[in-house]
Amino acid sequence: QQPVQSPQAVILREGEDAVINCSSSKALYSVHWYRQKHGEAPVFLMILLKGGEQKGHEKISASFNEKKQQSSLYLTASQLSYSGTYFCGTETGWSGGSNYKLTFGKGTLLTVNP
Amino acid sequence: DAGVTQSPTHLIKTRGQQVTLRCSPKSGHDTVSWYQQALGQGPQFIFQYYEEEERQRGNFPDRFSGHQFPNYSSELNVNALLLGDSALYLCASSRTGIREKLFFGSGTQLSVL
Repeated sequence: QQPVQSPQAVILREGEDAVINCSSSKALYSVHWYRQKHGEAPVFLMILLKGGEQKGHEKISASFNEKKQQSSLYLTASQLSYSGTYFCGTETGWSGGSNYKLTFGKGTLLTVNP
Repeated sequence: DAGVTQSPTHLIKTRGQQVTLRCSPKSGHDTVSWYQQALGQGPQFIFQYYEEEERQRGNFPDRFSGHQFPNYSSELNVNALLLGDSALYLCASSRTGIREKLFFGSGTQLSVL
């Protein structure tokens, strides 16, 4: 089941903050965040694991509410380079430590203007 | 250290034809996942290969098949192409059992006419 992202698009001025949300109808084991610029490959931002562990980008923070099956990505003091489409990828269910698959949302288009 | 490489970068085919896309994972990675990304959409999981076997599969028909070689590189094959198969096909590599970032290739843009 595809996670739902909100908002679909957001426009900021440089220096402003933004929050992107990701929610799932299924219990989540982990949530992964990626940013993709037009014509480029998705680039890793953050992983949030069930139990509270986080791995990721220094300047970007995120939260993971296991009970609500939701995650939020916080972009503070945005820079022009933050422009792109942000995707959350969710892992539902625990595969026992072996290979897992991610189901990505439709994305949130973030535009940062000077 | 080369990242994930995919070939070709662009491909144009006609309906009914067959296509093969190739992926070389990042050095040290043993797992390859394939995703289909339609215009304006998120990547959709096709399948994943580890130890030369398909380990996970998404909701894609049997026209989509794959292979992984002993050197961990992988191929994605699509038979009987449909117009709806037009998309960006992304390959991502990772290490099995470790929840860390996926490394994506730049993708193959497939156009079916």
